[in-house]
Amino acid sequence: AQRVTQPEKLLSVFKGAPVELKCNYSYSGSPELFWYVQYSRQRLQLLLRHISRESIKGFTADLNKGETSFHLKKPFAQEEDSAMYYCALSDSWGKLQFGAGTQVVVTP
Amino acid sequence: GAVVSQHPSWVICKSGTSVKIECRSLDFQATTMFWYRQFPKQSLMLMATSNEGSKATYEQGVEKDKFLINHASLTLSTLTVTSAHPEDSSFYICSARGSGQGNTWGGYEQYFGPGTRLTVT
Repeated sequence: AQRVTQPEKLLSVFKGAPVELKCNYSYSGSPELFWYVQYSRQRLQLLLRHISRESIKGFTADLNKGETSFHLKKPFAQEEDSAMYYCALSDSWGKLQFGAGTQVVVTP
Repeated sequence: GAVVSQHPSWVICKSGTSVKIECRSLDFQATTMFWYRQFPKQSLMLMATSNEGSKATYEQGVEKDKFLINHASLTLSTLTVTSAHPEDSSFYICSARGSGQGNTWGGYEQYFGPGTRLTVT
């Protein structure tokens, strides 16, 4: 069965500290994974997708098929990174399944 | 570019009435639109997939007669909650995806609307 697991509901970090959001998935086919972010009072927006292998706003995420993980990392957290982060898995039809989400709070 | 709008942004209705929510892609043609539901402090749950000109496909457990979806044009999909009840109160979010061809924006990426808060009294 298709599943996305984000074990941390809340992640509180200090400004300048590294932050890592965990995401594990289960999928029988070839996965397409994304990280979406939702800032306060804003709509959901795409942050990263694994196929592009890019760094956005200092965030990176590497797909590890062996560990079935797609963890999101940033070496130095900023206050503006405070938001809700969702890991999502797309099936072959383009349907997204979201994880439960991780609330990140960056304190000065 | 690639903006998706929803209307209304919030609505309050009485139990037993029907409510229509619109989802529009403003600057691209959306061959596929998705409808999600989000309960407080929970994640988004896909309700249905809507393809222009064809019937929507619903996820398991979603009543198609209760949540009517129409995707009559490449820029508009509507979700009608029929005979609404308090348990239907939720945040409804749509997303739109282009065809990947002939779109300045859109491509295969899903762009999300701002959501509609439905409260049924």
